[in-house]
Amino acid sequence: DAKTTQPNSMESNEEEPVHLPCNHSTISGTDYIHWYRQLPSQGPEYVIHGLTSNVNNRMASLAIAEDRKSSTLILHRATLRDAAVYYCILRMYSGGGADGLTFGKGTHLIIQP
Amino acid sequence: DVKVTQSSRYLVKRTGEKVFLECVQDMDHENMFWYRQDPGLGLRLIYFSYDVKMKEKGDIPEGYSVSREKKERFSLILESASTNQTSMYLCASSLPRVAGGLSNEQFFGPGTRLTVL
Repeated sequence: DAKTTQPNSMESNEEEPVHLPCNHSTISGTDYIHWYRQLPSQGPEYVIHGLTSNVNNRMASLAIAEDRKSSTLILHRATLRDAAVYYCILRMYSGGGADGLTFGKGTHLIIQP
Repeated sequence: DVKVTQSSRYLVKRTGEKVFLECVQDMDHENMFWYRQDPGLGLRLIYFSYDVKMKEKGDIPEGYSVSREKKERFSLILESASTNQTSMYLCASSLPRVAGGLSNEQFFGPGTRLTVL
């Protein structure tokens, strides 16, 4: 399976943008880049996903490098509620069935008031 | 609001006991999953189900079994609990995976922290 590499932790100030990097140099052409996050004492939640083009949703933006070997999750204006562990994972879509998620250690995002 | 609920947030059992962890989703999802999450080991898939009465082994099925008699309910069973099964157990559900990249995001429950003494 293609692997992702993320910094162990990052710190940011409230109401400032946060850029969370992810390296995936062995990504294949059929791998989609997904981000999940896990708030303290909660189950993980989906944030965003993309293939080649940059993506925006109500939670975040995803910027994907042209060679697809890296991507960045952007929180435009971090709040204290965004303090969580953020996981970048690759998922292949081939149609049908089900597949489990495999999380690495992720990035522990700390937000300072 | 879509929801995945788990029967208990915290559970303490003794070695050798039979343990049932229940999960219910209200989104009419075909797929349901059981994971365990341990510090330093990340999230690991135990079992999943893509339809009623169907089940598939995940990466670490040993010591566990599952039951899916109804679409909305997926149960994880520890036949004889052991101390190395002390962990956070997470249930999730999703729509089927489809080609073309439509998100089949997984929706997670709040987790059950199981301690086996």
